[in-house]
Amino acid sequence: EAQVTQNPRYLITVTGKKLTVTCSQNMNHEYMSWYRQDPGLGLRQIYYSMNVEVTDKGDVPEGYKVSRKEKRNFPLILESPSPNQTSLYFCASSSPRGQTAFFGQGTRLTVV
Amino acid sequence: SQKIEQNSEALNIQEGKTATLTCNYTNYSPAYLQWYRQDPGRGPVFLLLIRENEKEKRKERLKVTFDTTLKQSLFHITASQPADSATYLCARDTGRRALTFGSGTRLQVQP
Repeated sequence: EAQVTQNPRYLITVTGKKLTVTCSQNMNHEYMSWYRQDPGLGLRQIYYSMNVEVTDKGDVPEGYKVSRKEKRNFPLILESPSPNQTSLYFCASSSPRGQTAFFGQGTRLTVV
Repeated sequence: SQKIEQNSEALNIQEGKTATLTCNYTNYSPAYLQWYRQDPGRGPVFLLLIRENEKEKRKERLKVTFDTTLKQSLFHITASQPADSATYLCARDTGRRALTFGSGTRLQVQP
């Protein structure tokens, strides 16, 4: 079954404690991205990757890092989380021409 | 920047009626517009894509239109059912293989 898998689904952490949210896709898609979703603001892109070792900033990259060492994986790293990063995060991969996006189940992150 | 606006936060309709959701965009016309469905706590699921040179696209009870003059897309669900209740998101391409999403319209279909 074609899918994008994120882990964990829920995470509560404290300010400043580094964390990683994993994302894996089994569709051999080149393009992957991370979004955060906040009430009233919709989905905003954090980072994206066009292919292995190729990443670039989206609209709201501050406070986040990503890496793309393998085609299937695209982890999101928060080196020093802060409360304003409390949000619902989605990983997505896109079909070969970069059109339709397939989303993971989401990770609800709370930073206290 | 390329913006997408979904003006209605919420829409309530009776079962069996047609739901019509609106998506407006700014600046240049996108190569395509997409519509997604999102259920609470879940990731968005792709529904339909309509290209700039297409006036209308249909899939079962769903219909999408693209009006480059009005800079608008309309999303219709005919013979709506309570199971259609969800948030519907409009998205446009940004020219760098990324998508910009609207904030969504929450549809509630009353039995």
